[in-house]
Amino acid sequence: QVQLVESGGGVVQPGRSLRLSCAASGFTLSSYAMHWVRQAPGKGLEWVAVISYDGSKKYYADSVKGRFTVSRDNSKNTLYLQMNSLRTEDTAVYYCARDRVTMGIGEVDYWGQGTLVTVSS
Amino acid sequence: AIQMTQSPSSLSASVGDRVTITCRASQDIRNDLGWYQQKPGKAPKLLIYAASSLQSGVPSRFSGSGSGTDFTLTISSLQPDDFATYHCLQDYNYPYTFGQGTKLEIK
Repeated sequence: QVQLVESGGGVVQPGRSLRLSCAASGFTLSSYAMHWVRQAPGKGLEWVAVISYDGSKKYYADSVKGRFTVSRDNSKNTLYLQMNSLRTEDTAVYYCARDRVTMGIGEVDYWGQGTLVTVSS
Repeated sequence: AIQMTQSPSSLSASVGDRVTITCRASQDIRNDLGWYQQKPGKAPKLLIYAASSLQSGVPSRFSGSGSGTDFTLTISSLQPDDFATYHCLQDYNYPYTFGQGTKLEIK
């Protein structure tokens, strides 16, 4: 079955960098766009970024544009989120999630269990 | 960015009740809207996509309707497992945006 496992979260100081990974299994990663979504403690969901199935298209939330970069290595079945210039307001659980359709970008479908990023001095 | 206004922010209801949650978009998003259920400490789960299509495996008591700017999620007869937080998400254009969520609690 579809499995998404995030890793790389932790505590980091403001201004520093962190890279999250998402290991995918149970489906052909190279056929699906992939998303990152975050949730600050006690808050709602915030969509962060999406990368197309082949990596040719990337879109970001305004709040992370220019600081975060989404990438993928289909040969390793892994999605990444490089987070630079981190701010305290980036503190959240970060989820990777698969798109519902193949070869397109649409709804978010399957989700991982999330990894917590805490930005604090 | 498109603003998604979800209401109510919280709701108390009893098992067996019919419940409706609303999302309003700040502009026409056709039918590019999904509904998600989230339980504490868990990842969200897709219930409805394309405004009214039931995701595979989701009970038929869940239904969605609407197009353009106004959308509703209806639970026809609440079950104990349905008490959770519900979110809408527009995937009409980038950046995707969520509603602020509706917490459904037991009365």
